[in-house]
Amino acid sequence: GAGVSQSPSNKVTEKGKDVELRCDPISGHTALYWYRQSLGQGLEFLIYFQGNSAPDKSGLPSDRFSAERTGGSVSTLTIQRTQQEDSAVYLCASSLSGSQAGDTQYFGPGTRLTVL
Amino acid sequence: QKEVEQNSGPLSVPEGAIASLNCTYSDRGSQSFFWYRQYSGKSPELIMFIYSNGDKEDGRFTAQLNKASQYVSLLIRDSQPSDSATYLCAAMGGGSEKLVFGKGMKLTVNP
Repeated sequence: GAGVSQSPSNKVTEKGKDVELRCDPISGHTALYWYRQSLGQGLEFLIYFQGNSAPDKSGLPSDRFSAERTGGSVSTLTIQRTQQEDSAVYLCASSLSGSQAGDTQYFGPGTRLTVL
Repeated sequence: QKEVEQNSGPLSVPEGAIASLNCTYSDRGSQSFFWYRQYSGKSPELIMFIYSNGDKEDGRFTAQLNKASQYVSLLIRDSQPSDSATYLCAAMGGGSEKLVFGKGMKLTVNP
């Protein structure tokens, strides 16, 4: 596709439910990133994939958060037993290689998650 | 803890003026620096990146990097109302591929 796509664009869920957020990166991009942006906060790194491997998971806030990437393409971020503090916009980005100076990350439109 | 600091603003300039946005970073190992623009309710879009000391110009935008002072700036010349947005500074490197973002500076360009 022309850009990074994410689905759903909006998700409203009840506290305690599990949610899955999907990211489809730019074709040919080997690096994929998940960030989240809470109201009034900056973008917070969650996890980085290089191919199907996740060499940096340091930003995942708790073990309720997990992510996988299959076929070096689509990634899914799963939040189990959602809490109200999980409400945020979850942004996915991809870049060509992730390892070169100036390698640019391009962002998708985001998924706005609201936990009631 | 790697940090990127931005003056939270907001910054208001008249149309046609120069807007100056500044950013400092804590990790001397950071190698690449990015400026993203984010309109309200939208995702960040890249304006410029810079990784060499000095200035880099692209149209009305100039990014400046001073590694000795750990300082990055973005100048917007001939500011337009359409430039009104939040500007995010980000750093990458130092053994990590993730972007570390500042909290952003809200710019308003008044017609």
